[in-house]
Amino acid sequence: DAKTTQPNSMESNEEEPVHLPCNHSTISGTDYIHWYRQLPSQGPEYVIHGLTSNVNNRMASLAIAEDRKSSTLILHRATLRDAAVYYCILRRAGGTSYGKLTFGQGTILTVHP
Amino acid sequence: EPEVTQTPSHQVTQMGQEVILRCVPISNHLYFYWYRQILGQKVEFLVSFYNNEISEKSEIFDDQFSVERPDGSNFTLKIRSTKLEDSAMYFCASSNSVLNSYNEQFFGPGTRLTVL
Repeated sequence: DAKTTQPNSMESNEEEPVHLPCNHSTISGTDYIHWYRQLPSQGPEYVIHGLTSNVNNRMASLAIAEDRKSSTLILHRATLRDAAVYYCILRRAGGTSYGKLTFGQGTILTVHP
Repeated sequence: EPEVTQTPSHQVTQMGQEVILRCVPISNHLYFYWYRQILGQKVEFLVSFYNNEISEKSEIFDDQFSVERPDGSNFTLKIRSTKLEDSAMYFCASSNSVLNSYNEQFFGPGTRLTVL
């Protein structure tokens, strides 16, 4: 799987937007961009995924650069409950992978009241 | 909302002992996974399981590890002879598709394994 690079940590204030960046300069045309997060003492949790177009769901938005070499996870109004480690993961379509997720170190998001 | 459950939440064992970690995936899911996370480190893939057989495994998943779906609901991870370095949080996950257009994996809360 292609490599992703994320900042080690970021901070935000409650009710402010948060933009979590991810660089994936070696992404291939068939790689999907997935985001998961891990709240303290919990298992990872799916957030959002996309291929080329920006995506929105109830949790977040995913903005994908036109060249697909980077993406940004956007939390529109951070809450204390959003404090977690956020992982940007690339998954290639097809091939022999049966859904394996390859986690990096992720970005530790701290939300201040 | 359906969820993945895991038991026990914490397992303490002596080095060399066998342990079985249990998971109940979401009922209509077909793909099952085990991951582990050593304290302070990243989440690591161990194995994926589909159609009653292992579909992919990592280098970590050596002969000491095995997985089984003994009935229609449980999915287990067995470690035959535990080592100190097996101490970690073990997460079970399931999904109903591996298509990239839809591949949300649902994770359980984890079992913390402590090997003494």
